[in-house]
Amino acid sequence: EPEVTQTPSHQVTQMGQEVILRCVPISNHLYFYWYRQILGQKVEFLVSFYNNEISEKSEIFDDQFSVERPDGSNFTLKIRSTKLEDSAMYFCASSRQGGNTEAFFGQGTRLTVV
Amino acid sequence: RKEVEQDPGPFNVPEGATVAFNCTYSNSASQSFFWYRQDCRKEPKLLMSVYSSGNEDGRFTAQLNRASQYISLLIRDSKLSDSATYLCVVRSGTYKYIFGTGTRLKVLA
Repeated sequence: EPEVTQTPSHQVTQMGQEVILRCVPISNHLYFYWYRQILGQKVEFLVSFYNNEISEKSEIFDDQFSVERPDGSNFTLKIRSTKLEDSAMYFCASSRQGGNTEAFFGQGTRLTVV
Repeated sequence: RKEVEQDPGPFNVPEGATVAFNCTYSNSASQSFFWYRQDCRKEPKLLMSVYSSGNEDGRFTAQLNRASQYISLLIRDSKLSDSATYLCVVRSGTYKYIFGTGTRLKVLA
């Protein structure tokens, strides 16, 4: 069964460093998403991406964040200068299309900023 | 008002019990509704989509009431393996899924 894959599963970084989280969405999906979940809190929307551009982003997704689809398979989230409060689980998701289709989530990257 | 609201629980029920979760959403223009399941420190996994006519998948039944902006999930004959957090998810527009806080379920032997 096709699945969304994310790497790495866990990343530890120092405050102020840049990190890149990687995702390979399901191959025939057209919409891609990043979400984050701080420990003990709800899953929060960061950004959606369609047709090689950002479709929508939340207030959390400020200038420190960027997304890219560098080739036909990868979808990345970059955090330029990490802060302690960026520590969270980051989930990538994809969906086949808009409308009533479901989103499928990767297993997540646990980011720890020290 | 929160966009998607759920009772966080926890709901502690014995094996074999029937348990129901509710969820309300604030945007009357929302079109798509889902229940996901999340195990501790794992990714959300799709449990079922929620259709206007209601739908059933084995022991799980989902209902949608558009007039009241309310979604429900019923689990019959609870198993120990049903212990998880159940997430109500609403698709807002074309490009965003909004999650509720989740309802924790613990099924006791």
